Amino acid sequence: SQQGEEDPQALSIQEGENATMNCSYKTSINNLQWYRQNSGRGLVHLILIRSNEREKHSGRLRVTLDTSKKSSSLLITASRAADTASYFCATGGAGGTSYGKLTFGQGTILTVHP
Amino acid sequence: NAGVTQTPKFQVLKTGQSMTLQCAQDMNHEYMSWYRQDPGMGLRLIHYSVGAGITDQGEVPNGYNVSRSTTEDFPLRLLSAAPSQTSVYFCASSRDNEQFFGPGTRLTVL
Repeated sequence: SQQGEEDPQALSIQEGENATMNCSYKTSINNLQWYRQNSGRGLVHLILIRSNEREKHSGRLRVTLDTSKKSSSLLITASRAADTASYFCATGGAGGTSYGKLTFGQGTILTVHP
Repeated sequence: NAGVTQTPKFQVLKTGQSMTLQCAQDMNHEYMSWYRQDPGMGLRLIHYSVGAGITDQGEVPNGYNVSRSTTEDFPLRLLSAAPSQTSVYFCASSRDNEQFFGPGTRLTVL
């Protein structure tokens, strides 16, 4: 079963607006990652936040993690048409190494209109 | 570096046929994984490997076999294809938490 559930399933905004996507998960984690997938392509890693971190930034991306609520959010500021893609959260398990073994959410489809 | 490569890009099989999806990486990553992605869904882990000679099952392993004889290669075998295996298959490799994905193989089983 999917570990993560993402909300919303689809998001449509205008260029320049901010986009916020949310992810909830069920079990304890070591880290949470966000990936981006352009239509018909493989996934590309965006950012990783560890379980002992609360917030992380990378360029126009801001990720928060609330382990007490088992949830994370991804904020893309000043969105561009090129940000149009599907965004997935993925979790690595708490026990031992989770390398090579991620559990993905169902994804949010983001459409940014020029 | 080519990164993670997958062949073929597209494949159509008839029910009961067998085939091998190839995956190779040139980054000397220890960890490799196979996922399948169905419409409107995220990725589900089929099998993964933590090093040459070591493989383990993921969430949806039935109907698939893997082997890891070298660090570079991690082929996925479908022994007797079924329509339920129609999907897009992604291979990934990693040194630690961040995974690098191949471009995918789109498989249709008739």
